[in-house]
Amino acid sequence: AQKVTQAQTEISVVEKEDVTLDCVYETRDTTYYLFWYKQPPSGELVFLIRRNSFDEQNEISGRYSWNFQKSTSSFNFTITASQVVDSAVYFCASVNGAGNMLTFGGGTRLMVKP
Amino acid sequence: NAGVTQTPKFRVLKTGQSMTLLCAQDMNHEYMYWYRQDPGMGLRLIHYSVGEGTTAKGEVPDGYNVSRLKKQNFLLGLESAAPSQTSVYFCASGTHRGRDYGYTFGSGTRLTVV
Repeated sequence: AQKVTQAQTEISVVEKEDVTLDCVYETRDTTYYLFWYKQPPSGELVFLIRRNSFDEQNEISGRYSWNFQKSTSSFNFTITASQVVDSAVYFCASVNGAGNMLTFGGGTRLMVKP
Repeated sequence: NAGVTQTPKFRVLKTGQSMTLLCAQDMNHEYMYWYRQDPGMGLRLIHYSVGEGTTAKGEVPDGYNVSRLKKQNFLLGLESAAPSQTSVYFCASGTHRGRDYGYTFGSGTRLTVV
């Protein structure tokens, strides 16, 4: 079974600070997918990124970047120059190769203060 | 496209009442899921379906039943609601087709059992 741990339950930063959200996953599968979702105060779940287990390349999208390291079973998410609009709950999730069960971490609540 | 539509968006039930939550997707996705979200708990999988006519238990299935008679619909039933089932319920659909691999979530149903 998949397991996802987000050890940081809440993070508070001041606008323009950089912040990294940690995600550690456990799996016995060699093929798996990892995801990050954002849940703003309005409540919907917004897809941010998907990464498969064969692709360890880091990715950058604007102020967002992701660091995938199989050696440490981590898939960390960094926001550079944070903004108030980044305030949300962020979820890391994983699914095995069969794709039956998408498993979520407990989420990290990010508060960006002006 | 509407994506994933959940009805109703809000509902208040009395203990012991029954109700059905409807999830509909128009993306021809094979997989469908029901999650519940409780404060500080992240999203926990209740039941899921890998195709029309099939269902399987997730992490927290007790007190819920599901049916997927049509590919586009996934129903979640509460036969005898309990206060412990007060939560926000999210439906999702998913596909594993190549570059479209991923999951789309509905906007959620806020259920209160009094």
